[in-house]
Amino acid sequence: AQSVTQPDIHITVSEGASLELRCNYSYGATPYLFWYVQSPGQGLQLLLKYFSGDTLVQGIKGFEAEFKRSQSSFNLRKPSVHWSDAAEYFCAVGATSGTYKYIFGTGTRLKVLA
Amino acid sequence: NAGVTQTPKFQVLKTGQSMTLQCAQDMNHEYMSWYRQDPGMGLRLIHYSVGAGITDQGEVPNGYNVSRSTTEDFPLRLLSAAPSQTSVYFCASSHTSGSLNEQFFGPGTRLTVL
Repeated sequence: AQSVTQPDIHITVSEGASLELRCNYSYGATPYLFWYVQSPGQGLQLLLKYFSGDTLVQGIKGFEAEFKRSQSSFNLRKPSVHWSDAAEYFCAVGATSGTYKYIFGTGTRLKVLA
Repeated sequence: NAGVTQTPKFQVLKTGQSMTLQCAQDMNHEYMSWYRQDPGMGLRLIHYSVGAGITDQGEVPNGYNVSRSTTEDFPLRLLSAAPSQTSVYFCASSHTSGSLNEQFFGPGTRLTVL
């Protein structure tokens, strides 16, 4: 069965520090992979997505993610975190066949220290 | 474009009451879906629609009904509210078929059932 695991429920980093949020997935084929961000009281916004090709994808707000097939991972990174990055981040897997379906991870809440 | 709009933003119900959560999008998207967000559980799909007149169940459909009479609107009905339905509800839409497309989310409805 498809699943998405985000091992870190909470992460705290200092402003200016680098960030890596982990995402592991379980899927029978190469999935479609997404990262969404949810600011407090808001809906989710797409940061980036991976379908095929270059395994390092660039997104909005200076974020990037790397698809590693051997590790079934799609970790999100940012070289220097800004206070406005404080939010909850969700990794999601999209099915590449069959029913239109997303599976979301449980989310990682990021706190940024000034 | 207003994007995806949801009403109301907040609602308190008593057990056994019924209500409808409204969702509308002005992007002419074929696909619309409803999720609920609970702490530690990420987003779970309730129902989705691949076009006007076509709906299907997601992961957690019990206690909810949907209909899609127009492309723009996708209301979610709670038939007899239960405390277990206390959650934040998000409506989302996407342009074309398949889960490779970005989903656009509404701002959410926070529902409390007493």
